[in-house]
Amino acid sequence: AQTVTQSQPEMSVQEAETVTLSCTYDTSESDYYLFWYKQPPSRQMILVIRQEAYKQQNATENRFSVNFQKAAKSFSLKISDSQLGDAAMYFCASFGNEKLTFGTGTRLTIIP
Amino acid sequence: ETGVTQTPRHLVMGMTNKKSLKCEQHLGHNAMYWYKQSAKKPLELMFVYNFKEQTENNSVPSRFSPECPNSSHLFLHLHTLQPEDSALYLCASSQRATGVAGYTFGSGTRLTVV
Repeated sequence: AQTVTQSQPEMSVQEAETVTLSCTYDTSESDYYLFWYKQPPSRQMILVIRQEAYKQQNATENRFSVNFQKAAKSFSLKISDSQLGDAAMYFCASFGNEKLTFGTGTRLTIIP
Repeated sequence: ETGVTQTPRHLVMGMTNKKSLKCEQHLGHNAMYWYKQSAKKPLELMFVYNFKEQTENNSVPSRFSPECPNSSHLFLHLHTLQPEDSALYLCASSQRATGVAGYTFGSGTRLTVV
């Protein structure tokens, strides 16, 4: 079984600043993948970044990067140079045993 | 163009109605999923179809009936729903059921049961 926990229901950040969203997970799988999804008001879940658990190097996609701490089962998302378009719900998810399991999400507000 | 299209975008139905949600993908994926998204709760996986065969039913009440006629189309037939079934229903697809590349989601159907 997998569980994903996001302990920050809401976060806010000043435009152009950096923000970190937290996520912890638990899984019995030895082979798994971790994701961050973004859900803007349009409701479509958009894949932001992906991390293979067997890779030690943290994934990076432009302004988005992760801090993957496998032993601590922690997978945080850092957004640099925050932009107004980054405002959305952010969901952490874990894929293992053919199932994608989501956390409860963090609502990110960007302050102009 | 998202690649995964869901219709209708909004649906209001009475508890005695019968309606269907539709999902269509043009990504060449062969696994499709229904998720239920309620406020302040994690997304709940409802059904999984892999190569048109149902491979997962997460203890979903029988008032929800999925149908997958081919790898590109997925339906969720609704009947005799309860107010607590009001939620956003999301469809997703992936290449097989491995999902390691991540799922592609539609924009969902906002369902309100009155």
